[in-house]
Amino acid sequence: DIQMTQSPSTLSASVGDRVTITCRASQSISNWLAWYQQKPGKAPKLLIYTSSTLASGVPSRFSGSRSGTEFTLTINSLQPDDFATYYCQQYNSYSMFTFGPGTKVDIK
Amino acid sequence: EVQLVESGGGLVQPGGSLRLSCAASGFTFSSYWMTWVRQAPGKGLEWVANIHPDGSDKYYMDSVKGRFTISRDNARNSLYLQMNSLRVEDTAVYYCASDPTPGGGYWGQGTLVTVSS
Repeated sequence: DIQMTQSPSTLSASVGDRVTITCRASQSISNWLAWYQQKPGKAPKLLIYTSSTLASGVPSRFSGSRSGTEFTLTINSLQPDDFATYYCQQYNSYSMFTFGPGTKVDIK
Repeated sequence: EVQLVESGGGLVQPGGSLRLSCAASGFTFSSYWMTWVRQAPGKGLEWVANIHPDGSDKYYMDSVKGRFTISRDNARNSLYLQMNSLRVEDTAVYYCASDPTPGGGYWGQGTLVTVSS
């Protein structure tokens, strides 16, 4: 089974900061990685798919990249609406999807 | 406007059954793999099951195999999750979602399933 890890688990930041969240897969998943944003009491929202493609309507301050089995979500110039929990998800095979444990971005 | 609307959640005793439904609109439902994802109170997201666009292939997480059944009715634009032999640890908000592929990645608002005596 493919395991996903995320770091950090919590991140304190200020409006205007550049924020980076890392997700690592336990084996190769090619580019089959998505990033989601979730706010309390709400459904997750797709931000990025195939590791770096921005979903429709997502602000350009969000970006994704890949280096081997390490994936990065970057938020440039953090906005008040961005304080939330972020999850990565591997979808390399339809026989099993896996989510990372999440990274909570809160206000410093 | 794309909508996924779950229903069917509620309080059930351990060992009981529930059937969740998800009504889709605003996109070509029959073209997408569909997924059930759950989130226990205060916890992270957990994939539960996937189903092929035509319903031919189905996959489940280990802990629900033999107890849960995913199905779909493309004529009704609907997804289902039949949950039998429910356990306390199945307590969660259950979301239906479409494949995170171009034109997909939609989620419903979730339905709460509480398994308790």
